[in-house]
Amino acid sequence: DTGVSQNPRHKITKRGQNVTFRCDPISEHNRLYWYRQTLGQGPEFLTYFQNEAQLEKSRLLSDRFSAERPKGSFSTLEIQRTEQGDSAMYLCASSDRGDTEAFFGQGTRLTVV
Amino acid sequence: GDSVTQMEGPVTLSEEAFLTINCTYTATGYPSLFWYVQYPGEGLQLLLKATKADDKGSNKGFEATYRKETTSFHLEKGSVQVSDSAVYFCGTDTGRRALTFGSGTRLQVQP
Repeated sequence: DTGVSQNPRHKITKRGQNVTFRCDPISEHNRLYWYRQTLGQGPEFLTYFQNEAQLEKSRLLSDRFSAERPKGSFSTLEIQRTEQGDSAMYLCASSDRGDTEAFFGQGTRLTVV
Repeated sequence: GDSVTQMEGPVTLSEEAFLTINCTYTATGYPSLFWYVQYPGEGLQLLLKATKADDKGSNKGFEATYRKETTSFHLEKGSVQVSDSAVYFCGTDTGRRALTFGSGTRLQVQP
């Protein structure tokens, strides 16, 4: 297993466009998390899945953001009508239980111009 | 909600120097505490963790002790190496859904 994989690694988009990111967690990890990290800050929680169920969403996740995890495997995070303030690193993590280590992907860096 | 405060970086040390990175937290209940490390070009990795008061987490020569009375979890290493250059994140895990991270401290070790 190669760990948590995120694609693309970098995305540059024009303001107002929609973007979608993909996360492939470690096989058999039933928990999947999305975080956002801006420059000079630590990761901030966005949303969490247990299997295919989205169990929690942060207030940071505005109605322009939507996340899915069909079949409880990979996940996608879509941002509609992107704004410059959406520019950040989007991190995905997975774990097999809530009390075990969360493994992070390398992230997708989004730049909105 | 939970919050974590770390000393600001960058912290610049010479090889073999002693390292301390301060971390304090506020949290409801009795969280676990952790340090994650991010090496250049890599994802976040768990460095060490402590689950209850007075526990000491340790890994790769790094240590941190869960101090409930001072709500602190300072990271220490007796002799740093160039390969320790990275960004270090302190945080809390209350066993709910998400981890709460501090803002990170960049460590630069010079040969």
